[in-house]
Amino acid sequence: KAGVTQTPRYLIKTRGQQVTLSCSPISGHRSVSWYQQTPGQGLQFLFEYFSETQRNKGNFPGRFSGRQFSNSRSEMNVSTLELGDSALYLCASSLNSLAGVSDEQFFGPGTRLTVL
Amino acid sequence: AQSVTQLGSHVSVSEGALVLLRCNYSSSVPPYLFWYVQYPNQGLQLLLKYTSAATLVKGINGFEAEFKKSETSFHLTKPSAHMSDAAEYFCAVSAFNQAGTALIFGKGTTLSVSS
Repeated sequence: KAGVTQTPRYLIKTRGQQVTLSCSPISGHRSVSWYQQTPGQGLQFLFEYFSETQRNKGNFPGRFSGRQFSNSRSEMNVSTLELGDSALYLCASSLNSLAGVSDEQFFGPGTRLTVL
Repeated sequence: AQSVTQLGSHVSVSEGALVLLRCNYSSSVPPYLFWYVQYPNQGLQLLLKYTSAATLVKGINGFEAEFKKSETSFHLTKPSAHMSDAAEYFCAVSAFNQAGTALIFGKGTTLSVSS
């Protein structure tokens, strides 16, 4: 079974630009979550999508947005990039993640975004 | 609100020595607790998870962790370190009564193993 894939793996952008990152979950997984990893702040939850609906959202500005398609693939978009957005963006998928269920999250290798 | 504190950003051990990585959590509701490992330039891999079934949880690669409610701790141990264990380790918490997968991570502990 193929794992979680993220594209692109590396990205360089300049301040003010926007960027779209893509995540393909494991086949059959309906939940996709996004995390930002930086040396200073560590791993921070961005948002989660389940059946094309945003189910949970972390404490990030509105410049960060996402969506999920009917095949469970997900994209996240960052508009008006700032230097501080440079980070590793990780995507994770899981089966259902219903309340009271501890479905394992499977992480992709991440997209390394550098903002110049 | 939930939070995780990992004591010690760096831990160094010799090959064959005991590995102990500390994690304390704060949660107003029964928690799920996880340990993940991250190797350079890779995503996170689940080592083990606590879901209230048993307080002593065994994971992959010889790791285990014990949930201690009275101490709000979930420390990760391995009896004998191997060179391949060198990586960054993250403790994470999520809420039992929350639908979804909003994991709250600790800052991470980098484990170094010397020969």
